[in-house]
Amino acid sequence: SQQGEEDPQALSIQEGENATMNCSYKTSINNLQWYRQNSGRGLVHLILIRSNEREKHSGRLRVTLDTSKKSSSLLITASRAADTASYFCATDSGAGSYQLTFGKGTKLSVIP
Amino acid sequence: DVKVTQSSRYLVKRTGEKVFLECVQDMDHENMFWYRQDPGLGLRLIYFSYDVKMKEKGDIPEGYSVSREKKERFSLILESASTNQTSMYLCASSLTRAQPQHFGDGTRLSIL
Repeated sequence: SQQGEEDPQALSIQEGENATMNCSYKTSINNLQWYRQNSGRGLVHLILIRSNEREKHSGRLRVTLDTSKKSSSLLITASRAADTASYFCATDSGAGSYQLTFGKGTKLSVIP
Repeated sequence: DVKVTQSSRYLVKRTGEKVFLECVQDMDHENMFWYRQDPGLGLRLIYFSYDVKMKEKGDIPEGYSVSREKKERFSLILESASTNQTSMYLCASSLTRAQPQHFGDGTRLSIL
């Protein structure tokens, strides 16, 4: 079952610009996570935000969570060519869940 | 750093063959997961394991089985490979439930 859905599906920006990706989900969650996947590689965890948090920062990454709207956004500031990758949000199914459900991802291209 | 190692990056097999995909993690993680990733469908969970010899079905377990005889190793078995199992297979592990997952680099499997 697909819980998280990213928007847009693809995003192309110039180096130095900011990139914003959005994620919507359907049911209540304990936490929401963002992952990055470089072409042909596995996913790398970026940041986890708990349901009682509204905003979290990690370096050039800023994640917000609005549980009333069941949505999250990932902002990458001052983008670099190396940020070119696909970005996925992942949600759990609530308390006691082992399972993460991933969205289909946003493909980000940063043009040098 | 956690290392999740998948035995092959690329694998080509024939229909009807029994195929084994191996995954090893080096951080004593409790949980291990097998996903497949297909264009337009995102990541889908096949099976996961929360302890040695324990397994749970994910969203798409049909045609697959798993084995976890030791904590660090989780194997995915295609009992009789079919062409619709051609895909990228990703293994992941996590310390506890709903914690960030650490991924291997994936096995791109082609069934001819």
